[in-house]
Amino acid sequence: EDKVVQSPLSLVVHEGDTVTLNCSYEVTNFRSLLWYKQEKKAPTFLFMLTSSGIEKKSGRLSSILDKKELFSILNITATQTGDSAVYLCAVNSNSGYALNFGKGTSLLVTP
Amino acid sequence: DAGITQSPRHKVTETGTPVTLRCHQTENHRYMYWYRQDPGHGLRLIHYSYGVKDTDKGEVSDGYSVSRSKTEDFLLTLESATSSQTSVYFCAISEQLTEQFFGPGTRLTVL
Repeated sequence: EDKVVQSPLSLVVHEGDTVTLNCSYEVTNFRSLLWYKQEKKAPTFLFMLTSSGIEKKSGRLSSILDKKELFSILNITATQTGDSAVYLCAVNSNSGYALNFGKGTSLLVTP
Repeated sequence: DAGITQSPRHKVTETGTPVTLRCHQTENHRYMYWYRQDPGHGLRLIHYSYGVKDTDKGEVSDGYSVSRSKTEDFLLTLESATSSQTSVYFCAISEQLTEQFFGPGTRLTVL
């Protein structure tokens, strides 16, 4: 059975800090790993990673995938209060249609 | 944002009544999905569609049925609602088996 585990479950930081969110996975026939941000509404897509070692960046957010060790990290630098959200990691396999989601990391950035 | 709408956005119903949730997209994406999101469980796939009239079950399909008679519409029906189906329901779409984009969600309460 596919499994996605995110850590930590929750995190409180001060504005300007850098945070690292972790996602480890077990999936048969891996296709891709995705990161989403969820505020009090629908998840919004951040990144999709399919190849190991390649970093995806968008502004202050970046993510890297290690297919050998089966994990991904999401980094947020110079955090802002608007980064407060739940960050979801999901994996997709070649043998199915579903995204299998982790339970998320709840990030609170305080002023 | 991807053109996805869900209706209704909020619904309160009683145990034993039928309920239909609608997802409508304007992106002409082939794949559509219904997820539910519950505390402690994260997002879980209920049903998905890979084309008009082509649907299949996800991880938590018991008590739910779906229909897709047009590319743009994907309906989720609870034949006889139960309190365990109180949840937030998200529709998602994807053009290929890659990133999925989520609708705004429907909050359903079954009393």
